[in-house]
Amino acid sequence: EADIYQTPRYLVIGTGKKITLECSQTMGHDKMYWYQQDPGMELHLIHYSYGVNSTEKGDLSSESTVSRIRTEHFPLTLESARPSHTSQYLCASSKIKDRGSEVATEAFFGQGTRLTVV
Amino acid sequence: KNQVEQSPQSLIILEGKNCTLQCNYTVSPFSNLRWYKQDTGRGPVSLTIMTFSENTKSNGRYTATLDADTKQSSLHITASQLSDSASYICVVTDRGSTLGRLYFGRGTQLTVWP
Repeated sequence: EADIYQTPRYLVIGTGKKITLECSQTMGHDKMYWYQQDPGMELHLIHYSYGVNSTEKGDLSSESTVSRIRTEHFPLTLESARPSHTSQYLCASSKIKDRGSEVATEAFFGQGTRLTVV
Repeated sequence: KNQVEQSPQSLIILEGKNCTLQCNYTVSPFSNLRWYKQDTGRGPVSLTIMTFSENTKSNGRYTATLDADTKQSSLHITASQLSDSASYICVVTDRGSTLGRLYFGRGTQLTVWP
């Protein structure tokens, strides 16, 4: 059982509201990710972090922002929600693989937050 | 361009039957390939991982194969159960950096009917 948690699981919010999606992991993983997934579609990387005070944008352009002040915590914020932000947001974490190892460590996923902006 | 393609997009089978899901990738340099199972409304959970040197790996009723030369993988599910209904996602990691970039397929939506 993965120790990575997302809250809330479901969120319905009005246009223009500021929202923060929470993600916490208790595995001590350095790498954390945020993915966006629409129904029947692949996961798209929107943000990732190598560790504390490290954040990078992913492949899919997103108006959201993230922060990594603590290793275990990687919240995602939307300053002004719009209907186009309606989607499922998945948080994941993994260890940085050992140098020289061929095996990248497993990414553990949270349960996801289903966001609906009305 | 690094891509992961899965087929079929969706599949319906009867309980107790076997099925095989396909994954083709162009990710290079290749590090490893994982199959994830994603139940509706939940996050993906890893089923198997395969590195360059591995051809097959089993996890209970799930058996994954990898042909690194043709860049193809398959996931075979034996004696399907209703609880196998889910999306199965093929994820390939590159070896281009220490950090290992993940590339996701769109998944195969499997439905098992009683």
